[in-house]
Amino acid sequence: QSALTQPASVSGSPGQSITISCTGTSSDVGGNNYVSWYQQHPGKAPKLMIYDVSNRPSGISDRFSGSKSGNTASLTISGLQAEDEADYYCSSYTSSSTWVFGGGTKLTVL
Amino acid sequence: EVQLVESGGGLVQPGGSLRLSCAASGFTFSDYWMHWVRQAPGKGLVWVSRIYSDGSNTIYADSVKGRFTISRDNAKNTLYLQMNSLRAEDTAVYYCARDVRFRQDYWGQGTLVTVSS
Repeated sequence: QSALTQPASVSGSPGQSITISCTGTSSDVGGNNYVSWYQQHPGKAPKLMIYDVSNRPSGISDRFSGSKSGNTASLTISGLQAEDEADYYCSSYTSSSTWVFGGGTKLTVL
Repeated sequence: EVQLVESGGGLVQPGGSLRLSCAASGFTFSDYWMHWVRQAPGKGLVWVSRIYSDGSNTIYADSVKGRFTISRDNAKNTLYLQMNSLRAEDTAVYYCARDVRFRQDYWGQGTLVTVSS
C-alpha cells in the first residue's frame, strides 16, 4: 500500500487560509468516507482534527474543515494562527481493511 | 480522561526481539479496536497493525507481517506489540491509538525503538 500523496510543505500568513491536498486511489480515499486528518506538533503525539472527510471532533476549532472530490481529500485551515504551525497528515481506511497515511505536510505560518 | 501510555522501547540489535506495551485508562478498553502506528525519525506516520476489541481479528502492514504480533489483555487494559526479527528500518517511535469507527481518536505519547548494532 503506497502512502497517500501530500505536498511536502505549505505556508501562509496569519489570518489567511490554506488548503492541503491528499491524493490516493479508488482503493482508499476514493473508495470510502473514512478519511481523517491529524495535526502533529514537534515531539508530540498526533491529534485528530477531522474525521469521516469533513467532521470535526468536539473541541476542534471550526477554522478547520475537510472535503473530498474523487480520489483527493483536502484540509482547509482558515484564519491562520501561529499555533497552527505543525505537521499535518491525512489517513484513509482501505479496501484491504488496512489504513494508509499521507507523507505529511509541514505548515509554516509566516 | 482517556490515557494511553506506551512502554518497552529501547535499543535492540538487528535480528532481535522486543515487546511493547500500551496501558489504557479512562475508557472501557474492551469495547474498542486498537492500533499501532510508527514514525521513523524525521519521517511520516505509518500504520502498523489493528486488533479487534475482543482480540479475535488482527491485521498487519505488509512491512511487518510475519514478524510482528499484536495482542491484548482486556483484563489488564493493555495492548501489546511483539516485534521479532527486527531490522534497522523498524527504528521508529511506536504509538498506540484507539479506534472509533475507522479513525484513531486518541494516541499515546509513543515509545522509541532503535534497532542498531
